[in-house]
Amino acid sequence: IAGITQAPTSQILAAGRRMTLRCTQDMRHNAMYWYRQDLGLGLRLIHYSNTAGTTGKGEVPDGYSVSRANTDDFPLTLASAVPSQTSVYFCASSLTRADTQYFGPGTRLTVL
Amino acid sequence: SQQGEEDPQALSIQEGENATMNCSYKTSINNLQWYRQNSGRGLVHLILIRSNEREKHSGRLRVTLDTSKKSSSLLITASRAADTASYFCATDENQGGKLIFGQGTELSVKP
Repeated sequence: IAGITQAPTSQILAAGRRMTLRCTQDMRHNAMYWYRQDLGLGLRLIHYSNTAGTTGKGEVPDGYSVSRANTDDFPLTLASAVPSQTSVYFCASSLTRADTQYFGPGTRLTVL
Repeated sequence: SQQGEEDPQALSIQEGENATMNCSYKTSINNLQWYRQNSGRGLVHLILIRSNEREKHSGRLRVTLDTSKKSSSLLITASRAADTASYFCATDENQGGKLIFGQGTELSVKP
């Protein structure tokens, strides 16, 4: 792995289903983030983690949960997907929370 | 709420011309960053300017920061078709460390 990766690349999901988006980085960055990007709304922060074992809520956390069991992984879970969660999701990481962020390639999620 | 707001929302220029994009923000900051996003891809960091800096250069990029006006500009000189992308500014709202992104400027450089 070089940098930050996300999986899956894209997913179509029925409403009400549970879904976990995966994010892994190999840069030993302390901070990680999840954003959603919607047309006309830019990037909005969902959840973040300043260091392994800690998480925090961003601008639009409702309907999403995260965990940070180790430094490398930061999965985002939709417990019961709704159509309004259709979006492109980006994971990012930075050495510390105020540093340059490095973004993954994104996951395009469609909830029907 | 959006911290950074870019202006213009869209910009179309000819190859070789300069492109200027502006960003305004609302609160005190530690730094302001500019990112680029090609269609369908993730964001790529371009440049970071700290609150005690007024101007910074990186190749064909020039960024200015005016903390009294709470604004920044990104200048791309001698633009190329490959510069076609969306450009976002991001600030750490209230110096809290979390980045808040603007809605971006969509730049189109025509060959």
